[in-house]
Amino acid sequence: GNSVTQMEGPVTLSEEAFLTINCTYTATGYPSLFWYVQYPGEGLQLLLKATKADDKGSNKGFEATYRKETTSFHLEKGSVQVSDSAVYFCALRTGGSYIPTFGRGTSLIVHP
Amino acid sequence: ETGVTQTPRHLVMGMTNKKSLKCEQHLGHNAMYWYKQSAKKPLELMFVYNFKEQTENNSVPSRFSPECPNSSHLFLHLHTLQPEDSALYLCASRERDAGEEKLFFGSGTQLSVL
Repeated sequence: GNSVTQMEGPVTLSEEAFLTINCTYTATGYPSLFWYVQYPGEGLQLLLKATKADDKGSNKGFEATYRKETTSFHLEKGSVQVSDSAVYFCALRTGGSYIPTFGRGTSLIVHP
Repeated sequence: ETGVTQTPRHLVMGMTNKKSLKCEQHLGHNAMYWYKQSAKKPLELMFVYNFKEQTENNSVPSRFSPECPNSSHLFLHLHTLQPEDSALYLCASRERDAGEEKLFFGSGTQLSVL
């Protein structure tokens, strides 16, 4: 079956620090990969996606590269802001399924 | 604002109560989902409706009863819940664009079962 493993949180950083949130996956077939973000008091929003190996998804300064050889899709940002404080979810979808599989979420706390 | 509205935002209920959660979207999407979000656990899919027909039931206990009267509205009827059912319940609708789908989530209903 499909599964997504994310690093445990919370991740606590100072403003302008470099961010990496690790995500690895197991999947049958060739998945599409996603990062969703959940700001406090809100639902999840799609942050970025990649649909095939070596694709890089990017949005709002965040990036993630689809690495088939390591089955990973790590989220990175060069300089985080306080407003980036949120919970980040890695997810995948395979084949004709319209049901993404989500990880546990990683909480990010950015201090001024 | 994602265009998916959930009410109420917060709900406290006893184990013998009956209550309903409501989800509404006017984005023109034809598929809607219920997810359960518990602390330190992956999002758990509960139900999927596609064109008002239930297409997924992820072994959810019968004390949770979904209803989808039309493509814009989705309900989750609750009765005789247990304290372990306390969680954030998220509704989502699905857009399919150029062969790839995207989920739009509501802000959720934070449920506490006493």
